[in-house]
Amino acid sequence: KNEVEQSPQNLTAQEGEFITINCSYSVGISALHWLQQHPGGGIVSLFMLSSGKKKHGRLIATINIQEKHSSLHITASHPRDSAVYICAVRSNSGGSNYKLTFGKGTLLTVNP
Amino acid sequence: DAGVIQSPRHEVTEMGQEVTLRCKPISGHDYLFWYRQTMMRGLELLIYFNNNVPIDDSGMPEDRFSAKMPNASFSTLKIQPSEPRDSAVYFCASSFFATYGYTFGSGTRLTVV
Repeated sequence: KNEVEQSPQNLTAQEGEFITINCSYSVGISALHWLQQHPGGGIVSLFMLSSGKKKHGRLIATINIQEKHSSLHITASHPRDSAVYICAVRSNSGGSNYKLTFGKGTLLTVNP
Repeated sequence: DAGVIQSPRHEVTEMGQEVTLRCKPISGHDYLFWYRQTMMRGLELLIYFNNNVPIDDSGMPEDRFSAKMPNASFSTLKIQPSEPRDSAVYFCASSFFATYGYTFGSGTRLTVV
């Protein structure tokens, strides 16, 4: 079982819809990252959070440490939001604690 | 700032050849990470440096891979000899104190034929 599980793997939405992508992890963490990768493109860091909620424009990220779960929400989705969204966690267990473990990603397609 | 700069963007090489990937982190960032992305395995950490010192290289696949950071503004990832299974996109990322967000480079797409 992967340490970081994302769902769904693929998501297709119509422009304007509210989007939710989920991430569950099995280890204690010091931080969780949400990343965005456009097809054939580079990786952009969207959020880093260790508790509560963060908002940036139409993007909202939440985390529940007790439940080991995080969600990424996109309000009023737009075709330009089409990308792969990747969840990554930084473990707080001993050893190298700046190492990120990544989920497999969620491919989001927003149709006009 | 121009962000994290990687070169080359694309590299095609023959099996057995030496490949060197280059990365210039953001000025002032003290952490540098090398990641590899493949369809099968997704993103994986290969190695990371703090203040130019390698901290964790447990993700380096085998002795064919080596990485250096001779100064705060430059790092290399070398594969010698290269094999077709090394074909992937290699990303470099840097961070300040690793408690803030990571900034990724555009990646180097390596194809070994």
